[in-house]
This record gives sequence, C-alpha cells and structure tokens, in this order.
Amino acid sequence: GAVVSQHPSRVICKSGTSVKIECRSLDFQATTMFWYRQFPKQSLMLMATSNEGSKATYEQGVEKDKFLINHASLTLSTLTVTSAHPEDSSFYICSASDRDYSNQPQHFGDGTRLSIL
Amino acid sequence: AQSVAQPEDQVNVAEGNPLTVKCTYSVSGNPYLFWYVQYPNRGLQFLLKYITGDNLVKGSYGFEAEFNKSQTSFHLKKPSALVSDSALYFCAVRDLSNDYKLSFGAGTTVTVRA
Repeated sequence: GAVVSQHPSRVICKSGTSVKIECRSLDFQATTMFWYRQFPKQSLMLMATSNEGSKATYEQGVEKDKFLINHASLTLSTLTVTSAHPEDSSFYICSASDRDYSNQPQHFGDGTRLSIL
Repeated sequence: AQSVAQPEDQVNVAEGNPLTVKCTYSVSGNPYLFWYVQYPNRGLQFLLKYITGDNLVKGSYGFEAEFNKSQTSFHLKKPSALVSDSALYFCAVRDLSNDYKLSFGAGTTVTVRA
C-alpha cells in the first residue's frame, strides 16, 4: 500500500528555533500533500494544502510566514515552523494523495510531536 | 460547507461484542466518506471509504460501514471487537464542491475491555 514517511517523529527545541518537518511519499507520486495540526484529544485541523511546483494554499487563520511549506518534488513536501514558540507545540501530521485524489484516501505520515521549551 | 459529526466521545465495549461508532455528515453535493483509525502518537490509518455503489462497505481489520443517505449517516461497525481495536476513530467527508478538502469529525475513543 501507499506509504508516507514523516520525519522527525519528535522534536524538542528552544523558543526561537526554526524547525523543518519532512513528508515523503515512498512508493507513489503525490501531486498534493496536506498538513494538519492536532491538539491533544482533538481532531485534525487542516493547515494548508501543498501542490507540487506551486505555492501552498493556507487555511484561514494560519500564518503563511510562520508555517512555510515547500513542495519541490512529487515525493517531498516540507513544513518549516519559523521562530517557534511554546504555543506552536503540537502534533503535526502530513498526508498525501496520488493521481486523482477525489475518490482515493489520503495516506498519512506518523506525525511529528513538536515541543517548544 | 461540509461537516461531520461524531456524537460519542467515547465508546466502551467488551471484547467479542459488536462495536458501532456513529457518524453523520452534511455536504452540499455527493459525499465521499472515509473512516480512519489513530493509535497513540501515530498518524491516521485508512479503514474504508464510500464513494458510490453498495451501501455496505467492507474495510480493513474486519470493519465495515453502512452508508445511509436518508439519515445522512455512515456508521462504522465490527461484529466482534478485539482489545487491539482500542484507538481513536475519525470519520471524514470530502466535498467535491469545496476543493476536495477532507473534513474530520471530532473523533471517538474506543475502548475494548478484555
């Protein structure tokens, strides 16, 4: 089946640090990748939709200068949390779809637990 | 705009008993419906989907779901629950009229006791 690899799985760093999270589709080409944020015991909140070779589309209320998304190839999208602060601590999850994704499930990475001290 | 409701925060069942996790949806067009399961500190795993066709959909790990258009529901079921089914379950809907975005329910925590 389709596999999405997300790294790192956990990051602990000081306030003010920028953190990069990678999301890779290992056995399929993902023209579209999605970035979500999940708070404890809550649902997933879509942050942005990442399309290969173009600018990401951010959801309302998500700061695009804070959460930089790059989707340079059909197998890799990155999320950079710039100058992270404690309120950015969360569980970040990416997902990807191949081909016509309207009727295909999104395939999820295992998430990144970000803790800002 | 599409939305999904999971009316139960928690479902507790004994191992071997039937398991049902409820989901209702609201979309402007035809719904594409999905169920995912999440284990602690992990991403979401796809269980099954309804796009079109038979209302009863069979998925992974013995799960199935029934699409009911009149009740706008898509309940997840398993005839005989296992302790290993204990996890967080999410129902999701994709509305093709809203840029294919996937909207998730709040999630239902399932606990299966031995």
